[in-house]
Amino acid sequence: DSGVTQTPKHLITATGQRVTLRCSPRSGDLSVYWYQQSLDQGLQFLIQYYNGEERAKGNILERFSAQQFPDLHSELNLSSLELGDSALYFCASSVGTGARGLNTIYFGEGSWLTVV
Amino acid sequence: AQSVSQHNHHVILSEAASLELGCNYSYGGTVNLFWYVQYPGQHLQLLLKYFSGDPLVKGIKGFEAEFIKSKFSFNLRKPSVQWSDTAEYFCAVTRYSGAGSYQLTFGKGTKLSVIP
Repeated sequence: DSGVTQTPKHLITATGQRVTLRCSPRSGDLSVYWYQQSLDQGLQFLIQYYNGEERAKGNILERFSAQQFPDLHSELNLSSLELGDSALYFCASSVGTGARGLNTIYFGEGSWLTVV
Repeated sequence: AQSVSQHNHHVILSEAASLELGCNYSYGGTVNLFWYVQYPGQHLQLLLKYFSGDPLVKGIKGFEAEFIKSKFSFNLRKPSVQWSDTAEYFCAVTRYSGAGSYQLTFGKGTKLSVIP
């Protein structure tokens, strides 16, 4: 158990809908990362938050957004869903900003999203 | 742009065979290197990491990796695999993403199937 908690574990929804994925980081971790894992794209970094502020953006679509709340949990919002959004979405956390040599990133078990 | 290349998409070995999974990265600066493992249906777990010092890094479960700076490589090895090593293995490299943040860039992964 990595200490990173994600809900829901599985989600099936229709195209055009909107879903919210939730992540609770490990106790004491200030950074939260979101990754998307799909068969064709592999593991893609989406976005990172540190202590409530956006720190880095990766390959995140405009239809997707995220935020980190004062209690440090994070939510990833996916809207206008398309079939191609079906993937495993991982949340990860680390103590700091992922700075070199100081932080290991720990991953949650992921949320399986199926868009039908 | 930085990239991480894993040479093999799928490797099939018999138990007790030796394993070497290739990983090359393209990044001119100082790097941190990681191998993560994802067992079927589970989240990513850290196998080992290299930040500095001895380029031969030992991880959990008998795995080790060697950082060869001149070859931009960080290959994963295990002298004798077990059926329980069946999993997908991801090489990852940190890259600076601005504002003091570093983020992991993953390779596309190598699936290892170990036949009893």
